[in-house]
Amino acid sequence: EAGVAQSPRYKIIEKRQSVAFWCNPISGHATLYWYQQILGQGPKLLIQFQNNGVVDDSQLPKDRFSAERLKGVDSTLKIQPAKLEDSAVYLCASSTSEGLDTEAFFGQGTRLTVV
Amino acid sequence: AQSVTQLGSHVSVSEGALVLLRCNYSSSVPPYLFWYVQYPNQGLQLLLKYTSAATLVKGINGFEAEFKKSETSFHLTKPSAHMSDAAEYFCAVSEQWNYGQNFVFGPGTRLSVLP
Repeated sequence: EAGVAQSPRYKIIEKRQSVAFWCNPISGHATLYWYQQILGQGPKLLIQFQNNGVVDDSQLPKDRFSAERLKGVDSTLKIQPAKLEDSAVYLCASSTSEGLDTEAFFGQGTRLTVV
Repeated sequence: AQSVTQLGSHVSVSEGALVLLRCNYSSSVPPYLFWYVQYPNQGLQLLLKYTSAATLVKGINGFEAEFKKSETSFHLTKPSAHMSDAAEYFCAVSEQWNYGQNFVFGPGTRLSVLP
């Protein structure tokens, strides 16, 4: 079974530039998450999709971050314009969400450095 | 919202020694708890999960964790550390949030294994 795929693995941009990350979840997983992991901290949820609908985006800085999952499969996360504090690893995860005991499967992440 | 604390941001053990990583949670309802491991430049991988079937949960790579309701704890242990166990370990709780399943992660504990 293929895992969660993310690209790119690494990205370096200057502040005020824009950047996009891509995620392809495990086939059949209805729920897709985007997490932000700042160095030395645990992952923090940015946005959660159930199929192609947004379940929770309360922690997404909507003035600069946007995300979509148009066909209910793969997803893109965009930052425009980027700030220095956006430097982090962006993790995508997916789950069948059949219950609260269902685990999430994570991709390898995209490490973003804003200079 | 639930929360997770992990005592000790960095734990060092000698190879062959006992590994003990601490996790405490706050929850007003029976929790669903998870331990994930993150190797350098990798995503998170599930070690084990507690789903109320048994208080002692065995996971991959020789790890196990014991759920203690009276202590609101879910500590992770391994009898004998290997060099390959060096990684970041995250405890997480699953909760119902905005019609979806959300994972709340602790800040993580970095495990170093000394030869």
